[in-house]
Amino acid sequence: DTAVSQTPKYLVTQMGNDKSIKCEQNLGHDTMYWYKQDSKKFLKIMFSYNNKELIINETVPNRFSPKSPDKAHLNLHINSLELGDSAVYFCASSQGTWSRRGSYNEQFFGPGTRLTVL
Amino acid sequence: DAKTTQPPSMDCAEGRAANLPCNHSTISGNEYVYWYRQIHSQGPQYIIHGLKNNETNEMASLIITEDRKSSTLILPHATLRDTAVYYCIVRVLERFGNEKLTFGTGTRLTIIP
Repeated sequence: DTAVSQTPKYLVTQMGNDKSIKCEQNLGHDTMYWYKQDSKKFLKIMFSYNNKELIINETVPNRFSPKSPDKAHLNLHINSLELGDSAVYFCASSQGTWSRRGSYNEQFFGPGTRLTVL
Repeated sequence: DAKTTQPPSMDCAEGRAANLPCNHSTISGNEYVYWYRQIHSQGPQYIIHGLKNNETNEMASLIITEDRKSSTLILPHATLRDTAVYYCIVRVLERFGNEKLTFGTGTRLTIIP
């Protein structure tokens, strides 16, 4: 059973095209995220959604539009793809749970989608 | 979130304890120390987190100094499968989706057979 799954795993496309990456989690979490890992391996957050509501938008170009049809899904649509969009995109989810030790906000990551723009 | 400093790379012999240091001298009182790792071509994986007390789970131990300005992640019996990039992250815990992780450059740990 895959906790956080992404499709496709690899995506090769031409500049100017529009593409989507899908993410699904079966953990019952309320919060989902998209991260981007560039060629230098820096991993940066792009968006987060909580209960289908956008919470974090880290100055990502508006060509990137996340869509959350329900709590278990957070899809990433990218318009007019550019060479600089080539990266690995990771989806993640978490459930903020308060315990005696404080909040336990472990994030579970998907396997990643390697996007190559030619 | 406070800045962290980690050595870029470390080696450890298989079966020995791997000790990964992290400096976070500007940490504030409400910031937690989190450790994640990323095995090649996979998504990051949570390891452990703590506030000021030492913590242990099935994967690792986290030792935080009394002044909280540094910490050490300990993998007690390293195996080849522990070869990965390890990220030390300091952050305030927030709820309801505002829980972004800010990844630095991490430490590339290589376990030597």
